[in-house]
Amino acid sequence: SAVISQKPSRDICQRGTSLTIQCQVDSQVTMMFWYRQQPGQSLTLIATANQGSEATYESGFVIDKFPISRPNLTFSTLTVSNMSPEDSSIYLCSVLSGQGAKYNEQFFGPGTRLTVL
Amino acid sequence: KQEVTQIPAALSVPEGENLVLNCSFTDSAIYNLQWFRQDPGKGLTSLLLIQSSQREQTSGRLNASLDKSSGRSTLYIAASQPGDSATYLCAVYNFNKFYFGSGTKLNVKP
Repeated sequence: SAVISQKPSRDICQRGTSLTIQCQVDSQVTMMFWYRQQPGQSLTLIATANQGSEATYESGFVIDKFPISRPNLTFSTLTVSNMSPEDSSIYLCSVLSGQGAKYNEQFFGPGTRLTVL
Repeated sequence: KQEVTQIPAALSVPEGENLVLNCSFTDSAIYNLQWFRQDPGKGLTSLLLIQSSQREQTSGRLNASLDKSSGRSTLYIAASQPGDSATYLCAVYNFNKFYFGSGTKLNVKP
């Protein structure tokens, strides 16, 4: 298993500002993911954070709005840029832990609850 | 594209009842299926992982089954307790992505 921490746990931000969310894992992992969960909804994958290269973004998400860093195998950041009230969500990072596709188990951080006024 | 559906969307039961949550998926070419629990405003806690070659997994009062050919999984909770109240999500993994269902919100009444 993997233990994941996120900072901050919650924040209230003003429209037009940016927030950087940190994700720290207690072991080295190859794959890290960033999700968004809007109120009352299921999870939507924003991007896969790749170590040493640019993140891979899902349809509807762009690097200018959600820049991601992955400087090493235990840490990643997600920035929510030029925020609007529609960005109010829980942001979750997750990692894949296991040996091979069948054994890969996903573990999640506690989430960052973002409210944009 | 893989689609994952969970039924029912919400469930309210009295304490002590046995219950079944359902998850269905459209593409049977999966590596594994995972069940999660999410408490309000929190992250997801992994409950059970079923590999594609397995039929079921058990952990305590939880039992998850997988029928890959029919695209179905069930999560069985025995002797439910108020502490089981949460949203339960299933996710299937294939082609380096996880696809999530919309969840079943469970309320166990004392």
